Amino acid sequence: EAGVTQFPSHSVIEKGQTVTLRCDPISGHDNLYWYRRVMGKEIKFLLHFVKESKQDESGMPNNRFLAERTGGTYSTLKVQPAELEDSGVYFCASSQRFNTETQYFGPGTRLLVL
Amino acid sequence: AQTVTQSQPEMSVQEAETVTLSCTYDTSESDYYLFWYKQPPSRQMILVIRQEAYKQQNATENRFSVNFQKAAKSFSLKISDSQLGDAAMYFCAYSWNSGNTPLVFGKGTRLSVIA
Repeated sequence: EAGVTQFPSHSVIEKGQTVTLRCDPISGHDNLYWYRRVMGKEIKFLLHFVKESKQDESGMPNNRFLAERTGGTYSTLKVQPAELEDSGVYFCASSQRFNTETQYFGPGTRLLVL
Repeated sequence: AQTVTQSQPEMSVQEAETVTLSCTYDTSESDYYLFWYKQPPSRQMILVIRQEAYKQQNATENRFSVNFQKAAKSFSLKISDSQLGDAAMYFCAYSWNSGNTPLVFGKGTRLSVIA
């Protein structure tokens, strides 16, 4: 069974540009989470999808961040326009609809905004 | 708000020895889950061990075990017979209730294993 995958693995962009991160959860996992780790800080929650619906987006920093999960499969996280403080590692995780307490993480996307 | 604290930014251990990583948390909930995740240099974060708060027995997974002290809100990870492959960043995490809730992470402890 394939794990959670994320694309790209690295992205370097300039301030003001747009970047879109993609996450493919484990097949059949209804729950999908986005997290972010800024250098030296804790991993912080961004938002949570249940299938295609946003269950909790309380962690989204501002309206420059837009997450979607069309069809309840893969998810995208768009940052537009990117700012310097958006740099960090963006993790995606998924979990089953039941037995939901274990989240399985992807390798992360390392974003650097110059 | 729930918080998780890992007071050891870095730790090191000799190969084959035992090391304990500390984690404390703060919550007013009675039903929750605690986790230790490991992130090796290759970056894929994997679950090491999980503890349900309602269980008094400490969780064990092969060489990994926890010391869960609910009253003290402490959740330490013990790694026995340390191996070179144990070198990684270790994150302690908390989840309220039975799931479908975000994980709250500590800052992590970087573990080095010395041959």
